[in-house]
Amino acid sequence: NAGVTQTPKFRVLKTGQSMTLLCAQDMNHEYMYWYRQDPGMGLRLIHYSVGEGTTAKGEVPDGYNVSRLKKQNFLLGLESAAPSQTSVYFCASRGALSNQPQHFGDGTRLSIL
Amino acid sequence: QQQVKQSPQSLIVQKGGISIINCAYENTAFDYFPWYQQFPGKGPALLIAIRPDVSEKKEGRFTISFNKSAKQFSLHIMDSQPGDSATYFCAASQETSGSRLTFGEGTQLTVNP
Repeated sequence: NAGVTQTPKFRVLKTGQSMTLLCAQDMNHEYMYWYRQDPGMGLRLIHYSVGEGTTAKGEVPDGYNVSRLKKQNFLLGLESAAPSQTSVYFCASRGALSNQPQHFGDGTRLSIL
Repeated sequence: QQQVKQSPQSLIVQKGGISIINCAYENTAFDYFPWYQQFPGKGPALLIAIRPDVSEKKEGRFTISFNKSAKQFSLHIMDSQPGDSATYFCAASQETSGSRLTFGEGTQLTVNP
């Protein structure tokens, strides 16, 4: 009964390093999303996917890339990390039918030094 | 550009009191308005949601009031309890655009015993 699982939970990077955040869901959901949460700004959508093999840009996509090779996984990549990308990252998934809520993971806290 | 504005930023109420959080939106194409509750170290979890064809929805101690003409909606927590202390986010989405959520800035609610 895992729901949405994010890996890793914490990470510290140096400026310019790259890394990939993994999101896995076991609810057979079609839609998946990556958000970042910063103090006083709520959650902002980075990228999203409406199905396996599809991705689209959200509100703040610059500096990030995503891939959805398998339906259950949604990867978020930082090619060259910058201090402005220090944030808490949340993944969410949702079924395709109407009135379905988004289910969130517990987040990845990322610090860029 | 913040399409969903939330107030207040923080709120302190006494146990048994009523907590009221307000949100205003700009995009008239939004057709789904959820409220999420977030505890420290956890991801947001759906609390209650409403669609614009109704003016009020109640689930237990939680009520959403919706005013389509004013483009505003609010969350009322009756008989507030210390366990309700959390961060609350309003959000809005449009079903035809991947159900992407646009979040308000969040309200830190503290319920004193």
